[in-house]
Amino acid sequence: EAGVAQSPRYKIIEKRQSVAFWCNPISGHATLYWYQQILGQGPKLLIQFQNNGVVDDSQLPKDRFSAERLKGVDSTLKIQPAKLEDSAVYLCASSEEGGRTTYEQYFGPGTRLTVT
Amino acid sequence: AQKITQTQPGMFVQEKEAVTLDCTYDTSDQSYGLFWYKQPSSGEMIFLIYQGSYDEQNATEGRYSLNFQKARKSANLVISASQLGDSAMYFCAMREPYSGGGADGLTFGKGTHLIIQP
Repeated sequence: EAGVAQSPRYKIIEKRQSVAFWCNPISGHATLYWYQQILGQGPKLLIQFQNNGVVDDSQLPKDRFSAERLKGVDSTLKIQPAKLEDSAVYLCASSEEGGRTTYEQYFGPGTRLTVT
Repeated sequence: AQKITQTQPGMFVQEKEAVTLDCTYDTSDQSYGLFWYKQPSSGEMIFLIYQGSYDEQNATEGRYSLNFQKARKSANLVISASQLGDSAMYFCAMREPYSGGGADGLTFGKGTHLIIQP
C-alpha cells in the first residue's frame, strides 16, 4: 500500500514570495490534515478536510495561508506572501475516517520550507 | 495551559536498558485518544502506540507499552530493551472526541529527544 505522498521535499524562497505544497493521501482515506512543524516543536494542525470539505481551519493564518482539496483526493497548501516565521516542515497526514478517536493518522515525509 | 506536556527535552540511555518517556495531558472530555509517534532524523512521523480513554488495559505493541494513569492524566511510553535504532524524537499526542463538526486533529507535545548509547 502506497503511503502519503508529498512534494516538493525541500523548498527555499525569499520572504514575500509565494509557495505551494502538494499532498496525495493514502487511497480511500477520507480525511486529510496539514500540520506545521517548526524546528524544535511538535506539529501543529493547520487544517483538516473531510472529503473535499473543511472541518477545522481554526489555526490556519488565513491572511496568507490557503488550502484546497478538490475532488476529495489530493490537496494543495499555499502560502502567499511568505514570512520568515513560516520556515518549517509542512506535514500532510491522512486517516480512514474523521471524527473517531481510534483511527491512526498516517504521515507523509513532509516538505521542508526555508524562507530567507 | 498546554494540552500535552512532555517534561524531558532530552534523554540519554544505555543500549538494552528500558526507558520511560513522560507525557501528561489536559482535557475535560471523557472520551479521547492518546498516541505516541517516533520521528527519526529523516523526518517522517512513525506511529508507535495508541491508548483510548476507555481502554481498561494498558496498550502494548512489541517493545512499546503505554503506562496509562487516567486519574493522574498521564500516558507514559515505556520502551523495553532499547536499541540504537530507537534514537529519535518522540512525541505524545492527543485526539479529542468528535464534536459534531468532525474536527479531530492531533495536539502534540514538544517532544523528547532520546539518544541510545552503545
